[in-house]
Amino acid sequence: KQEVTQIPAALSVPEGENLVLNCSFTDSAIYNLQWFRQDPGKGLTSLLLIQSSQREQTSGRLNASLDKSSGRSTLYIAASQPGDSATYLCAVRGDGGATNKLIFGTGTLLAVQP
Amino acid sequence: GAVVSQHPSRVICKSGTSVKIECRSLDFQATTMFWYRQFPKQSLMLMATSNEGSKATYEQGVEKDKFLINHASLTLSTLTVTSAHPEDSSFYICSAEQGRDSPLHFGNGTRLTVT
Repeated sequence: KQEVTQIPAALSVPEGENLVLNCSFTDSAIYNLQWFRQDPGKGLTSLLLIQSSQREQTSGRLNASLDKSSGRSTLYIAASQPGDSATYLCAVRGDGGATNKLIFGTGTLLAVQP
Repeated sequence: GAVVSQHPSRVICKSGTSVKIECRSLDFQATTMFWYRQFPKQSLMLMATSNEGSKATYEQGVEKDKFLINHASLTLSTLTVTSAHPEDSSFYICSAEQGRDSPLHFGNGTRLTVT
């Protein structure tokens, strides 16, 4: 059974700092991995999608990496801003059949202090 | 970008009544829609997966007679909480995708409070 863990559970940084969020998963047979952000009381916004054959994806100040064999992904946020404050979730999709659904991690609550 | 609209955003109902939540993909055809439930400060719990024109697949422990899902078209799925009880109070979120190679897009969620 796939399990997804995110560390740290919470993080507080001053504005302008670069930071890394970690995601680990127990079953390396994944189809892809996605990073989302969730603002309080809202749904999720897709940030980056990495296919299993890819090593990283970039969008603006965000860079996500994937090391499938070791079961790890990181989300790097450069020059953090107060508007980046949110909960960040990673989710892995299994490789076909009954494992097609996304399994979510527990999230990292990020606070960027102005 | 792809937009998923979910209504209502908030609903308060009395115990024993039924509540319907709609999830629409506004600018794309969704091959699959997912319904999640989220408790305070916890991650998302998948309730069911629905494909247009076929019966929903429910996760273990989710009562299909209590949480009725209808995926009437490629752009609309509904979740009906039947005979709601206070323990059904939660945040319900839908999501939709065009295919598993595409990002999953989420609605803004529905806060259900059963009194």
